[in-house]
Amino acid sequence: NAGVTQTPKFRVLKTGQSMTLLCAQDMNHEYMYWYRQDPGMGLRLIHYSVGEGTTAKGEVPDGYNVSRLKKQNFLLGLESAAPSQTSVYFCASTPTGVYGYTFGSGTRLTVV
Amino acid sequence: AQTVTQSQPEMSVQEAETVTLSCTYDTSESDYYLFWYKQPPSRQMILVIRQEAYKQQNATENRFSVNFQKAAKSFSLKISDSQLGDAAMYFCADNAGGTSYGKLTFGQGTILTVHP
Repeated sequence: NAGVTQTPKFRVLKTGQSMTLLCAQDMNHEYMYWYRQDPGMGLRLIHYSVGEGTTAKGEVPDGYNVSRLKKQNFLLGLESAAPSQTSVYFCASTPTGVYGYTFGSGTRLTVV
Repeated sequence: AQTVTQSQPEMSVQEAETVTLSCTYDTSESDYYLFWYKQPPSRQMILVIRQEAYKQQNATENRFSVNFQKAAKSFSLKISDSQLGDAAMYFCADNAGGTSYGKLTFGQGTILTVHP
């Protein structure tokens, strides 16, 4: 009963380094999302996907790229990390647009 | 663009008492969904309650209920018989429905403290 699994849970990067966050869901959900959470700003949508092979930009996409080569996986990449990308990142999925999300446990990323 | 506003950064309540968290939203859609999520210190986001805009009846889940005022675009969460485990950050969220592909717009969050 894994639900949505995010890896890693914590990471510290130096400015300019790259990394990939992995999100995996085992519920056969079509829709997947990446959000970032910053104090006082709630959660903001970075990118999302409505099915295998599709991706689209959210509210704050700059500096991030995503891929969804397999239905169960949604990857978030940072090509050149900046201190402004220090945040907690959440992946979420849902079967259709009318239901609530199942969230992963989050990744705390610090860029120094 | 949609906006969701939680005007109470922090709230507190005594154990066993009732507390209401406020949320207002701004959408031009006629068919949409509203949610409250709980985020305890563990950081895990947990769905508390969901309201379908076309339903006039307020949603209820055990001790949690909402006061949905569609004309006023207000969606408050009432927690009855508060328990220590209710202490968390609470987020209100709005799904525009239609062709929004399930994208949620979140409010800024309200930190709820429960005093024993």
